[in-house]
Amino acid sequence: DTAVSQTPKYLVTQMGNDKSIKCEQNLGHDTMYWYKQDSKKFLKIMFSYNNKELIINETVPNRFSPKSPDKAHLNLHINSLELGDSAVYFCASSQLAARGSSGANVLTFGAGSRLTVL
Amino acid sequence: GQNIDQPTEMTATEGAIVQINCTYQTSGFNGLFWYQQHAGEAPTFLSYNVLDGLEEKGRFSSFLSRSKGYSYLLLKELQMKDSASYLCAVAGAGSYQLTFGKGTKLSVIP
Repeated sequence: DTAVSQTPKYLVTQMGNDKSIKCEQNLGHDTMYWYKQDSKKFLKIMFSYNNKELIINETVPNRFSPKSPDKAHLNLHINSLELGDSAVYFCASSQLAARGSSGANVLTFGAGSRLTVL
Repeated sequence: GQNIDQPTEMTATEGAIVQINCTYQTSGFNGLFWYQQHAGEAPTFLSYNVLDGLEEKGRFSSFLSRSKGYSYLLLKELQMKDSASYLCAVAGAGSYQLTFGKGTKLSVIP
């Protein structure tokens, strides 16, 4: 029973197309994330949602639009795909500790979605 | 901002001990994490340090010195399956802001 599942696992598409990646978690976590891992394996945060509310929005082109219909789902839609968008996109979730309390914010990652733009 | 530095690659022999270092400069600190990532797979959580000192978990230990902005991951009795990338990550001022280093690719050889 997969904790964080994302689809599709592989996606090959042409420049200029629009595509979506879906993510679902069954851990009951409040917070979900999208990370991008480039060819040099650098894992960089893109977005984070806490209970459907956007809390982190790093410097990402506005062609990328996250959508969280409920706290168990966080989808990523990409418009007008470019060659540089080719990467592995990881979804993750965590249960944030309340502010002022101790506790590790441990992320559980999905298996990744490898996007190749031709 | 955050700056996290770790070696790009390391090689060690099966059965040996290896130490992977990580130095960081962050605005605010809410803990340091180590993740393991096998090729083509998702990162998985290994350890968490928020106070100075050593945390031991089986063959893996992680150390933190907040005053020096320094951590290391120690892997003992290396096995071939330990060949992977090891990612150092720091939680900044907000506990949800986890920033990753570029990872250290460890190759374990017979």
